[in-house]
Amino acid sequence: DIQMTQSPSTLSASVGDRVTITCRASQSISRWLAWYQQKPGKAPKLLIYEASSLENGVPSRFSGSGSGTEFTLTISSLQPDDFATYYCQQYTSYPWTFGQGTKVEIK
Amino acid sequence: EVQLVESGGGLVQPGGSLRLSCAASGFTFSTYSMNWVRQAPGKGLEWISYITGSGSPIYYADSVKGRFTISRDNAKNSLFLQMSSLRDEDTAVYYCARRTGGYQYFDSWGQGTLVTVSS
Repeated sequence: DIQMTQSPSTLSASVGDRVTITCRASQSISRWLAWYQQKPGKAPKLLIYEASSLENGVPSRFSGSGSGTEFTLTISSLQPDDFATYYCQQYTSYPWTFGQGTKVEIK
Repeated sequence: EVQLVESGGGLVQPGGSLRLSCAASGFTFSTYSMNWVRQAPGKGLEWISYITGSGSPIYYADSVKGRFTISRDNAKNSLFLQMSSLRDEDTAVYYCARRTGGYQYFDSWGQGTLVTVSS
């Protein structure tokens, strides 16, 4: 199985900050990576697919990059609505696996 | 608008069974592969099962293989998860999630249904 490891597990930031979350795969997944946002008590929401493609309706302050085994999710200017937990997911091979999540908290 | 609505969760004793349903609307259900993803309390997301639009092939995570069965009824736009031999560690919110057309990431999710396994 491909292991996905996110860092940090928790991130404290202020409104307006630039925030970067890293996701590492245990083996190459090319660019077959998605990012999701989840708020407490809610279902996950797709943000980015194929490492850097923005899902329709997702604000442009979100961006993704990377390939192979290392990927990043960047929020260029953190907004109040962005405080949430973020998950990466590889979809190169079964079983499809998620990272453990990164919680973005208010500093 | 795509809608996925899960139901069927509840409290069940260890070793018991439960059947979850997911009612789909707003898209041509039979043309999409579907998944179940779960989330234990305070934990991350775990993919557990996949089924194609036609009903085959089907895949399971090792953690549920042999105990859970995924199925669908395209005439009723519904997805199901039959869970048996339930364990404490199966306690989670269970989400149905639609696979995007060509690739196994999830572009639409239901609101989830909570399954609690406890004596």
